[in-house]
Amino acid sequence: KNQVEQSPQSLIILEGKNCTLQCNYTVSPFSNLRWYKQDTGRGPVSLTIMTFSENTKSNGRYTATLDADTKQSSLHITASQLSDSASYICVVSGILTGGGNKLTFGTGTQLKVEL
Amino acid sequence: DVKVTQSSRYLVKRTGEKVFLECVQDMDHENMFWYRQDPGLGLRLIYFSYDVKMKEKGDIPEGYSVSREKKERFSLILESASTNQTSMYLCASSPTGRYGYTFGSGTRLTVV
Repeated sequence: KNQVEQSPQSLIILEGKNCTLQCNYTVSPFSNLRWYKQDTGRGPVSLTIMTFSENTKSNGRYTATLDADTKQSSLHITASQLSDSASYICVVSGILTGGGNKLTFGTGTQLKVEL
Repeated sequence: DVKVTQSSRYLVKRTGEKVFLECVQDMDHENMFWYRQDPGLGLRLIYFSYDVKMKEKGDIPEGYSVSREKKERFSLILESASTNQTSMYLCASSPTGRYGYTFGSGTRLTVV
């Protein structure tokens, strides 16, 4: 069964500190992996997307890594800001027999940045 | 930027009512999706559509139906709303053959 597991479930850090969120998946065959940021009461917004051949991708203070061999990804946030408080969702796209993709969502990591 | 617009941010409906959730995208995307999001369960796919008048069941289609009469509009229908359908509903769209998946802002539906 295709699964995406994220850790930790929740995290509280002080403003200015760095943090790393983890994503492990069992989706196969693999197409791509995305990280989304979801503010409370809003829809998810894409941060990064990585294919099989990409090991790392950055978007400002967000850096995602992918190890397709171990099926692990991480999202590193540098110099956190209060506005980083949100849910971060890992989404893995698998290739369906006959073509097309199917997304499998993690349940997210709830990050809170405090003063 | 692709814009996916959901017609309502918040809705309160009574048990047994027929409920329509509307979603419109403005970038000519072929694919449109309806998800619901519940605490601890993540996003779960209800229905999706690859083209006008085409629809496919997702993982949890029971109690829902959809309509796609025009390419830009994908409607989710709750035929007879029940309290266990209280949830956040998210619409998304994507182009065929390319990456890119854009979500709407969501509709928080409460069934009382």
